[in-house]
Formats: sequence, C-alpha cells, structure tokens
Amino acid sequence: DQQVKQNSPSLSVQEGRISILNCDYTNSMFDYFLWYKKYPAEGPTFLISISSIKDKNEDGRFTVFLNKSAKHLSLHIVPSQPGDSAVYFCAASGWDTPLVFGKGTRLSVIA
Amino acid sequence: DSGVTQTPKHLITATGQRVTLRCSPRSGDLSVYWYQQSLDQGLQFLIQYYNGEERAKGNILERFSAQQFPDLHSELNLSSLELGDSALYFCASSVGGQTLQETQYFGPGTRLLVL
Repeated sequence: DQQVKQNSPSLSVQEGRISILNCDYTNSMFDYFLWYKKYPAEGPTFLISISSIKDKNEDGRFTVFLNKSAKHLSLHIVPSQPGDSAVYFCAASGWDTPLVFGKGTRLSVIA
Repeated sequence: DSGVTQTPKHLITATGQRVTLRCSPRSGDLSVYWYQQSLDQGLQFLIQYYNGEERAKGNILERFSAQQFPDLHSELNLSSLELGDSALYFCASSVGGQTLQETQYFGPGTRLLVL
C-alpha cells in the first residue's frame, strides 16, 4: 500500500522551461512534506519543504504547492537547467508518523 | 555535502555473515535515521534514534539492530545476511526528533552486496 505516490516515473523538459513534478498521498496524518533530489551514487539532497499550514513555499527556482483537500503536492522548477537532471523524491511525515518516500521521478532537462 | 558521513562506502560479503554500518550525523544533530533502498522498493524507513534512545521503528527485520552512542554516532548491524539484503543503506540526521516532522539530511550511503 503506497502512501506516497509519484505516478510519473520520468519527465523530459527543455532547458529554460518549467518542470512540474507531482505527488499524491493517502495518509491524512501527514502534515509535513519534503522534496529531495538524488544523483546516482549519492544520498538524497534536501530541496524544499512545506508544512500543512501553508499552501505554497518558494526557494529560488523551486516552489512547492500543497493542496490538502486533494492530498496532492507539486514541485515547480523555473527555469529548468541541465544540472537539475536527477531523480526527485517526494516524502511526507506526521508528528508521530515516520518519513515515507515516493518511488521517484527521473527528470531530464534537455539543452 | 550534507555533513552526514557513512562508512564503508561499499561492502561485499557472503550469505550468513554479519556486517556493521557506521554513521556520523551532522554536527549538533541529535537524531539519526536508517533507511534501506532496494531496486524495487524505494527508500524504506528502518529505525530512528534520538539522543541515544530508540524513537521510532519502521520495517526493520529482527536480524537487524541499531544503536546510537553517547557521541551520537550510530551503527546498524545486519546479521544472518541473505541475498535479498543487498541494497543501499542510507543514514540521515536531523536537529531534533521528538516529533517526526523534521528535515532530514542524508549521507552518501553504503552499498551492500551479499553473494
């Protein structure tokens, strides 16, 4: 039973355009959400987070949107750069609920 | 560089053996978390220690155990190894850990291959 789902295993975007990565969750106990980026042979790198009291959080080129009623969050990267090519993981946790990861979306930014 | 270190980077061993993976958290972080990433399962939470005490437990097998020492480094012990234990093992740390709503910072991982 996947509590955090990333339905797109891969995404290709042209350099300079917007990348939108999506994530759905099922557990209503989740109230803290994170995105991580992972390069091959490295550990996941924290990108951005959002708590359930907000619906948007921005950090430079990265913005995370949270729609609690739909149990959906998305990560927008604008503009996309070739160095953004990596696997992106959505993750969710609650006060007493350990971090649960999605299976990841592989983003390829084409120059 | 997240500041979390893990040793060794690679480990090759045989079925039935026992190995120990080591993790040093970021300076000042009190919590350490262990995760397993196998090809078909994604990142799975195993266990969390907060300031030396077990705080949360996930899908950790009975053959696996962990501890956190007074200097806050942690070790994950895997025994009676099976082929299916081959995976990447990640350690993460966070500042606190009394709640689980914490940003976790990950180490580079240990790749375990059981032959």
